[in-house]
Amino acid sequence: DAKTTQPNSMESNEEEPVHLPCNHSTISGTDYIHWYRQLPSQGPEYVIHGLTSNVNNRMASLAIAEDRKSSTLILHRATLRDAAVYDCILRRSGGYQKVTFGTGTKLQVIP
Amino acid sequence: EPEVTQTPSHQVTQMGQEVILRCVPISNHLYFYWYRQILGQKVEFLVSFYNNEISEKSEIFDDQFSVERPDGSNFTLKIRSTKLEDSAMYFCASSEAVVQQETQYFGPGTRLLVL
Repeated sequence: DAKTTQPNSMESNEEEPVHLPCNHSTISGTDYIHWYRQLPSQGPEYVIHGLTSNVNNRMASLAIAEDRKSSTLILHRATLRDAAVYDCILRRSGGYQKVTFGTGTKLQVIP
Repeated sequence: EPEVTQTPSHQVTQMGQEVILRCVPISNHLYFYWYRQILGQKVEFLVSFYNNEISEKSEIFDDQFSVERPDGSNFTLKIRSTKLEDSAMYFCASSEAVVQQETQYFGPGTRLLVL
């Protein structure tokens, strides 16, 4: 499976935008880029996913580089509730599959 | 908003005892999963289940583990004879049947402590 690389931790001030980077230089053409997050003492939570184009939803935006070797999860206004571990995951296309979690980026939001 | 629920939230058991962890997936979902997370480590896949049979299982999911969908709503994980190293958070997840990319919705977890 293609591997992703993320910083271990990041900090953000509350109400400021946060850009969480992810490198995936060995991504294949059929790999989708997924982001999940895990809040303290909770189960993982889906955030967003995309293939080639940038994506927006109510939680976040996903910016995908033109060569698809990197992507950035954007939280437009960080809140204290966004403090979590954010995991960038590659998943092959074609139906259901397990989610293979990594160690992710631990985001700390400073009031 | 529909959600995955799990019971119990905490379970303490003696080594060698059997435990059953229960999950109620989202009602129109067809794919079901169990994951676990040992304290301080990443979430690990255990097993996926579709159409009343196991679709995929990891190396962790050995003969001591089994899954079942006993009725139209519950999805259970049984550990036949628990070991100390089974102590972990166990998460159930479910997803709809979609063609390309499915989103998995996770429950809040069951914290299992084996003494």
